[in-house]
Amino acid sequence: NAGVTQTPKFQVLKTGQSMTLQCAQDMNHEYMSWYRQDPGMGLRLIHYSVGAGITDQGEVPNGYNVSRSTTEDFPLRLLLAAPSQTSVYFCASSYGAKDTQYFGPGTRLTVL
Amino acid sequence: GEDVEQSLFLSVREGDSSVINCTYTDSSSTYLYWYKQEPGAGLQLLTYIFSNMDMKQDQRLTVLLNKKDKHLSLRIADTQTGDSAIYFCAETAYSSASKIIFGSGTRLSIRP
Repeated sequence: NAGVTQTPKFQVLKTGQSMTLQCAQDMNHEYMSWYRQDPGMGLRLIHYSVGAGITDQGEVPNGYNVSRSTTEDFPLRLLLAAPSQTSVYFCASSYGAKDTQYFGPGTRLTVL
Repeated sequence: GEDVEQSLFLSVREGDSSVINCTYTDSSSTYLYWYKQEPGAGLQLLTYIFSNMDMKQDQRLTVLLNKKDKHLSLRIADTQTGDSAIYFCAETAYSSASKIIFGSGTRLSIRP
């Protein structure tokens, strides 16, 4: 098993650009989520999904979109990148929300 | 709403015990977790405890839960340089069954 994979590892964007952060898992997990990690603020939940076709907002959803067309993939879209979205983004998956979460290696995003 | 708080830094001498503390606000918390994040990596689950338990021991790790005070601690015995990392406390609760709430993380540094 590859576990949870994320691409790209690093990305630099200009303000106003759009991009998609990819996340995939091969563990047949129903629950997937996106977090952003900022210094001194821990992990904040952006969006999550409890299964294919079902997504919901987390703590900081503004400026981000998600979709879950398959069990394996959970992409995160930034529509109009802003400097405030400079962060490290982690994708995670688990069988259910209360089960052990498996984290991807992260994507470091810088918005200029 | 739910909140999880931790101190940001802890420094201990190699070979001593480390105690990382966490407080949470949601009295309906069901599962409480400790995750470890090494530099440049995602989070890995260290251990977890159910809310109906007071203590859990796993090799060098001891988790203590005081439900009355809503206080969780992680004790690492015989701290080694490989224990240098950020440690995150997290909880899930009935009030937000699909979310895990993370603390801001405690950076543990080891001095010789």
